[in-house]
Amino acid sequence: NAGVTQTPKFQVLKTGQSMTLQCAQDMNHEYMSWYRQDPGMGLRLIHYSVGAGITDQGEVPNGYNVSRSTTEDFPLRLLSAAPSQTSVYFCASSDSGGNQETQYFGPGTRLLVL
Amino acid sequence: AQSVAQPEDQVNVAEGNPLTVKCTYSVSGNPYLFWYVQYPNRGLQFLLKYITGDNLVKGSYGFEAEFNKSQTSFHLKKPSALVSDSALYFCAVRDRVNSGNTPLVFGKGTRLSVIA
Repeated sequence: NAGVTQTPKFQVLKTGQSMTLQCAQDMNHEYMSWYRQDPGMGLRLIHYSVGAGITDQGEVPNGYNVSRSTTEDFPLRLLSAAPSQTSVYFCASSDSGGNQETQYFGPGTRLLVL
Repeated sequence: AQSVAQPEDQVNVAEGNPLTVKCTYSVSGNPYLFWYVQYPNRGLQFLLKYITGDNLVKGSYGFEAEFNKSQTSFHLKKPSALVSDSALYFCAVRDRVNSGNTPLVFGKGTRLSVIA
């Protein structure tokens, strides 16, 4: 059971480039989310999805797009990378049983924007 | 709006001594509370959660946390610290009031250093 997987593990981009961070889970979880982690800031929610075809914005959505065409996958797109998007990105998923459900995290993608 | 405060950026403790990592929260209703741990260059791992019932929750690796509604706190504790407990610890909250799934809100994290 792979759990939550993320690719790539590490990426370097130039300012203005676009890219997609991949996230997949094999636990049939309805709820998926993307966070960014910055020193001294903890984890901040970017976007989340409560099921296929449904997405919503979190605390820091600007500069990022998401889609949820399947239950398993929840890609995060950077449309035009900026140095401020240098961060570690984590994807997470949880079952649809409500707010008491535990979220499971992927290993993270470290992004450097030059 | 939900929020979590972890008042200490860093906690240092000697191996074998008890440790406490503090967390206070704010929600409109009643909370679901979580603790996660992050080891270097790794994702977050679930430690324990408070849903309902007994205020003392026991979790992985000998950790426990006590829910205190009057003080709106959920401090993480361990009776005897190990060097291997050194990591970054996050407290998180979700509001019980809303139905379905709503975002999990994290504190800024507390770095625990256990010294041999």
